[in-house]
Amino acid sequence: AQSVTQPDIHITVSEGASLELRCNYSYGATPYLFWYVQSPGQGLQLLLKYFSGDTLVQGIKGFEAEFKRSQSSFNLRKPSVHWSDAAEYFCAVGARGNTGKLIFGQGTTLQVKP
Amino acid sequence: EADIYQTPRYLVIGTGKKITLECSQTMGHDKMYWYQQDPGMELHLIHYSYGVNSTEKGDLSSESTVSRIRTEHFPLTLESARPSHTSQYLCASSLEGLAPYNEQFFGPGTRLTVL
Repeated sequence: AQSVTQPDIHITVSEGASLELRCNYSYGATPYLFWYVQSPGQGLQLLLKYFSGDTLVQGIKGFEAEFKRSQSSFNLRKPSVHWSDAAEYFCAVGARGNTGKLIFGQGTTLQVKP
Repeated sequence: EADIYQTPRYLVIGTGKKITLECSQTMGHDKMYWYQQDPGMELHLIHYSYGVNSTEKGDLSSESTVSRIRTEHFPLTLESARPSHTSQYLCASSLEGLAPYNEQFFGPGTRLTVL
């Protein structure tokens, strides 16, 4: 069955440090991959997406992600974290059947230390 | 301004009450979704709709029901709320396009507590 795994439930980084959030997926064909961010008490906002082409994709707020088919990974990165980046981050994959439905990982909570 | 709205944002009710969670979008999207999210957990799809008069159950079984009489409106109803229904409910919408998966736009959510 399709699934998305985010191995790190909680990550703490210092402001200004680099960040990498891990995402692994299981999917037979070329996946459609997404990263969303959820601030406390808010809905989800799309950071970036990968459909095809260049495996390094740029998103909003200085985030980027790299698709690695050999590792079934789609890790999110940011070179320098800001305090406002503290939030919950969700990786998602498009479900089989081209239905438009997404399957979400369990999320990673990012805490930023001053 | 094109957006997606959910009301109420917070709701505390007693067991056995009937409730309707409202979701409206002004983006003209055909597809709409309801997710259930427990604190610190992933989102689970409970209902979706491809257009007017089209509704399907999602991957997570839910006692709630939905309707889609107008493109912009996708309300979720619980006939008799129970404490097990306590959760956050997120509504989303997406455009029907050439790509099979388009960005889903999310509302701010309704946090439901059933006592």
